[in-house]
Amino acid sequence: DAEITQSPRHKITETGRQVTLACHQTWNHNNMFWYRQDLGHGLRLIHYSYGVQDTNKGEVSDGYSVSRSNTEDLPLTLESAASSQTSVYFCASSESRQGAGELFFGEGSRLTVL
Amino acid sequence: KQEVTQIPAALSVPEGENLVLNCSFTDSAIYNLQWFRQDPGKGLTSLLLIQSSQREQTSGRLNASLDKSSGRSTLYIAASQPGDSATYLCAVFTPGNTPLVFGKGTRLSVIA
Repeated sequence: DAEITQSPRHKITETGRQVTLACHQTWNHNNMFWYRQDLGHGLRLIHYSYGVQDTNKGEVSDGYSVSRSNTEDLPLTLESAASSQTSVYFCASSESRQGAGELFFGEGSRLTVL
Repeated sequence: KQEVTQIPAALSVPEGENLVLNCSFTDSAIYNLQWFRQDPGKGLTSLLLIQSSQREQTSGRLNASLDKSSGRSTLYIAASQPGDSATYLCAVFTPGNTPLVFGKGTRLSVIA
């Protein structure tokens, strides 16, 4: 079955370190998204991509970057991790144009920045 | 800017009860609305997707309705079971806005 996988599922890092969270989907979806989920804030969009070489900033993009070199992967990089970036990160994908279709989520990556 | 609100934030009901979860949005020019379920420590699972031209969608004991003009959607769960305990989130897609704006969810507990 097609799926979307995130790795690592859990990570502890130190302030100032660079961290990359991986997201891989096998549906061949054009659209991929990164969200963070925090108590009191719900799900907030970090970055998204509508296709290879396309990336866009979401509402909380500062301190994060993404690149889309193929259809299957959208890695999320924290250039210099900060304690405020301790969160659960979710990757998602969808098929329809401009992100309008049904959204499928990965299981999440829990990041702790000490 | 589209905003999505879900009230109540938490709900506890006895097993077997029929219940309604609410979702409201500020910009009625939506393309579609989705309902998701999230179990603790897990990702979100899509339950129902309603296009703007539809009034409702059904899947098993779940029925979602959409009233675009009033900016509201409801998720009806029939004959609730303890296994329905989870957080339910709604999200809307509005053309010209950033992708899918989420509500903060309603945490449902069904007590046996």
